[in-house]
Amino acid sequence: GAGVSQSPSNKVTEKGKDVELRCDPISGHTALYWYRQSLGQGLEFLIYFQGNSAPDKSGLPSDRFSAERTGGSVSTLTIQRTQQEDSAVYLCASSPFRRSYEQYFGPGTRLTVT
Amino acid sequence: DAKTTQPTSMDCAEGRAANLPCNHSTISGNEYVYWYRQIHSQGPQYIIHGLKNNETNEMASLIITEDRKSSTLILPHATLRDTAVYYCIVRVGETSGSRLTFGEGTQLTVNP
Repeated sequence: GAGVSQSPSNKVTEKGKDVELRCDPISGHTALYWYRQSLGQGLEFLIYFQGNSAPDKSGLPSDRFSAERTGGSVSTLTIQRTQQEDSAVYLCASSPFRRSYEQYFGPGTRLTVT
Repeated sequence: DAKTTQPTSMDCAEGRAANLPCNHSTISGNEYVYWYRQIHSQGPQYIIHGLKNNETNEMASLIITEDRKSSTLILPHATLRDTAVYYCIVRVGETSGSRLTFGEGTQLTVNP
């Protein structure tokens, strides 16, 4: 079946611009995660959605970052007033209900802020 | 969460079995063993998980010792595309909202 998809695959933006990154999780998966990974670094958790519950936003690095998940499916991560340190690969993952360590990742969006 | 120990690197010949060990001597009774891998420039990929019985899927087999203090991930016929960093993690399985964190993992290099 279809896996997690993300768009765009690559995004180059100028410092100070806003960007939106999209994630389509696997159908039927109730949980959705956003992570980011800088070159050669580990995974950095950003935000987690589970069904209709309030999201866990504890990993968002600043108030320039926000995310929403509409209809329990598609999610959008928005970064306002982008900075060069925001450059990274942004990864989305989804998992089945109460199997949160079985996460399926999308291909990621490579964000470059110039 | 139980700590895991993996070798830093391993080599394997293409077409042969790759056996990746993981020690988790402090594992608790309700903790599962999960394996992920990350191929260069790609996102992490879930491989397999198990509690105490051996598990097999289309990607790999997971052998867990009877005392559950160690496990081995087996790629039965390694290909060049299996070159990646392999991560073993131990966590309570039936849970929600758990963020993934990886340790150092094992860099597996499959050689032609």
